[in-house]
Amino acid sequence: DVKVTQSSRYLVKRTGEKVFLECVQDMDHENMFWYRQDPGLGLRLIYFSYDVKMKEKGDIPEGYSVSREKKERFSLILESASTNQTSMYLCATRGGTGHYEQYFGPGTRLTVT
Amino acid sequence: AQSVSQHNHHVILSEAASLELGCNYSYGGTVNLFWYVQYPGQHLQLLLKYFSGDPLVKGIKGFEAEFIKSKFSFNLRKPSVQWSDTAEYFCAVNGNTGRRALTFGSGTRLQVQP
Repeated sequence: DVKVTQSSRYLVKRTGEKVFLECVQDMDHENMFWYRQDPGLGLRLIYFSYDVKMKEKGDIPEGYSVSREKKERFSLILESASTNQTSMYLCATRGGTGHYEQYFGPGTRLTVT
Repeated sequence: AQSVSQHNHHVILSEAASLELGCNYSYGGTVNLFWYVQYPGQHLQLLLKYFSGDPLVKGIKGFEAEFIKSKFSFNLRKPSVQWSDTAEYFCAVNGNTGRRALTFGSGTRLQVQP
């Protein structure tokens, strides 16, 4: 079974803080993704990475950055947290070409006060 | 660009009722289609998927979905729901655009009353 873990289930941060969300997978998947999930909006793609040190912006990258130094780990960084970044953040992975199914972590519910 | 519409935002059913959740996508090429489910407090998990072949696909827990290319639809069905089916359901698509990520619909919250 694919296992995707996220560093925290719940996180509370103050406006202006730098926030790191970590995601680790154990399936040697090339592709990793960060989504945010908001009621009524579904999942929206923030960033994804298709290889170590490679990244591409998703649909809503503003206010976020990412880091992928090792294949199994993909970090989402909020440079200066704001209240409109309060959300559920989901990490997902996917194998190589021809494997489109994504596997999700449990999510991190971030509250910015 | 590809997009996904789920028109039912909140559905309330009694146990044993039949379920059909609508999903329409807007991409004219070859697509891969998915339904994911998120039970309360749990992570998203795959319910079923369509890549090619038989347009009627069966998934876990008695769910099925039918791909109708002419209608750009991939509706989810279950003949008789159970209280344990209470969850949020997401339709997702991946077209052959080179985009590696899935595009998700806004989700449908299903509440099954005992």
